[in-house]
Amino acid sequence: EPEVTQTPSHQVTQMGQEVILRCVPISNHLYFYWYRQILGQKVEFLVSFYNNEISEKSEIFDDQFSVERPDGSNFTLKIRSTKLEDSAMYFCASQRLGSTNEKLFFGSGTQLSVL
Amino acid sequence: KQEVTQIPAALSVPEGENLVLNCSFTDSAIYNLQWFRQDPGKGLTSLLLIQSSQREQTSGRLNASLDKSSGRSTLYIAASQPGDSATYLCAVTPTGNQFYFGTGTSLTVIP
Repeated sequence: EPEVTQTPSHQVTQMGQEVILRCVPISNHLYFYWYRQILGQKVEFLVSFYNNEISEKSEIFDDQFSVERPDGSNFTLKIRSTKLEDSAMYFCASQRLGSTNEKLFFGSGTQLSVL
Repeated sequence: KQEVTQIPAALSVPEGENLVLNCSFTDSAIYNLQWFRQDPGKGLTSLLLIQSSQREQTSGRLNASLDKSSGRSTLYIAASQPGDSATYLCAVTPTGNQFYFGTGTSLTVIP
């Protein structure tokens, strides 16, 4: 069964450093998402992406965050200058169409630890 | 802002028992509701999706219901098995894009 692939599975970085989290969505999907889950808290929406542009973003997704689809297969989340509170599990998700009856497919996540 | 609550936070049942997980949401203006399963160290797997116009969906031993007007959904698991042990999350979306998740119910099925 097709799946969303995320790399790396774990990332450790120093505060203030830039990190790029990578995702390969399912190949025929058109909508892409980033969510995050801080330990012990709810899964939170960050951003949705369609047709090479951001379609929605949350308050969390400030100027330190950016997303890109650099080629036909990868979807990346960049955090420009990481803070301690950015430590979380980051999930990429994709959806074939953005309609009401389409399931979200999630990757296994990247555990980001900011020291 | 949409708030999603799940009760109970944790549940432990003997194998074979039927069980119900509850989800409530504050804003009834939703496109759909999804139930997910989360295993430790893994991503979320979508179990069932109920569109806002639907009342329930079934998949195997799972049945999810939706009462949009009262802001409630339930996930019924029949004849529970140890392999059902996981955290179950419900999530609603007002737009089809941004999902609001509950904190989940951690289920343990004891052999």
